[in-house]
Amino acid sequence: DAGVTQSPTHLIKTRGQQVTLRCSPKSGHDTVSWYQQALGQGPQFIFQYYEEEERQRGNFPDRFSGHQFPNYSSELNVNALLLGDSALYLCASSPSDGAKNIQYFGAGTRLSVL
Amino acid sequence: GNSVTQMEGPVTLSEEAFLTINCTYTATGYPSLFWYVQYPGEGLQLLLKATKADDKGSNKGFEATYRKETTSFHLEKGSVQVSDSAVYFCALIRTGGFKTIFGAGTRLFVKA
Repeated sequence: DAGVTQSPTHLIKTRGQQVTLRCSPKSGHDTVSWYQQALGQGPQFIFQYYEEEERQRGNFPDRFSGHQFPNYSSELNVNALLLGDSALYLCASSPSDGAKNIQYFGAGTRLSVL
Repeated sequence: GNSVTQMEGPVTLSEEAFLTINCTYTATGYPSLFWYVQYPGEGLQLLLKATKADDKGSNKGFEATYRKETTSFHLEKGSVQVSDSAVYFCALIRTGGFKTIFGAGTRLFVKA
């Protein structure tokens, strides 16, 4: 049973560029959340997708957008990259029934903005 | 608002020492509480959880008890190993909520 998979594992971009990160949830999960983890800090919630719609959003600007596909996989898009967007981006999946609120995390995509 | 505060690291211990990492939280209602572990270069792995007051979560020798009266969820292990070296995150999800709220993390170094 594959867990949460994310691609790519590493990415280098320059300021002003756009980036797309991808996530496939754990089998049987239909809810996907994205988190940003800056170096030395805890993950910060970006948003959550369920039934192909954004269900809740954290305190992130509109430059951060997402999408969920019918197969429950998801993309995170970041436009007009800033140096401060350099971080580990984590995807987490969970079943819609909440299953005691457990979220399963992928290994992350490390984004470096130069 | 909802928040998690955990002790600052790094924590450095010798192998077989006793471990405590303190965690307190602020939340309305009865959140679910978690400890996640992050090994170098990896994502987060769920270590243990507790969903109601006085529940004790346990896994791989680690334990934490949900204390409503002190709003705490301290992580303990009786005898740490070098392989336990990692960053540990305390976290919560409020009742009916969708996002996990994390503490800043505590780095643990275990020396042989």
